[in-house]
Amino acid sequence: DIVMTQTPLSSPVTLGQPASIACRSSQSLVHNDGNIYLSWLQQRPGQPPRLLIYKNSKRFSGVPDRFSGSGAGTDFTLKISRVEAEDVGVYYCMQATHFPYTFGQGTKLEIK
Amino acid sequence: EVQLVESGGGLIQPGGSLRLSCAASGFIFDSHWMHWVRQAPGEGLVWVSSISPDGTTPVYADSVKGRFTISRDNARNTLYLQMNSLRAEDTAVYFCAREVCGGGDCKLFDSWGQGGLVTVSS
Repeated sequence: DIVMTQTPLSSPVTLGQPASIACRSSQSLVHNDGNIYLSWLQQRPGQPPRLLIYKNSKRFSGVPDRFSGSGAGTDFTLKISRVEAEDVGVYYCMQATHFPYTFGQGTKLEIK
Repeated sequence: EVQLVESGGGLIQPGGSLRLSCAASGFIFDSHWMHWVRQAPGEGLVWVSSISPDGTTPVYADSVKGRFTISRDNARNTLYLQMNSLRAEDTAVYFCAREVCGGGDCKLFDSWGQGGLVTVSS
């Protein structure tokens, strides 16, 4: 199974400042079709997960452009350019390149 | 509007069985892979099972293989998860999720239900 490792596990950030979450996979996430099926999801307290980024760097419909995803090989990053209060929650990376699909442990974003 | 509504959760004794349902609306159900993802209290997300649009290809996590069965009724727009031989470690909120594939983009888990709580305890 592919292990997804996120850092940090907790990220206190000042409003208006940037935030960055790293995700490392134990194997390459390049699919046979050449795509990288790495997604980022946000889970606010008491809510189901919400898709933010798919295929490594594509922003999902309705997601603010302060969110961006990047990476290659086994190292990926979610960046928030300027954190807003509504961004509080837990962020997960997820790989859907190989079954079993796997998630990172989650990174809790909180406001300082 | 896409909607996924889980039902069938509850309290069950170890060794018991339970069937979760996920009623889908607002989209063409039989065009999508569907998934179950669970989250134990205070823990992270864990993929459980997936099923192809026509229902012929189920996939399972090792932790549930042989105990859980995923299925779908495309006429009723409903996804199911039959859970047998339940253990305490199966206690979790179970989410159903839709996967989108189109326009050159695939494997988007774009819609999630609110989740159904399954508690396995004596």
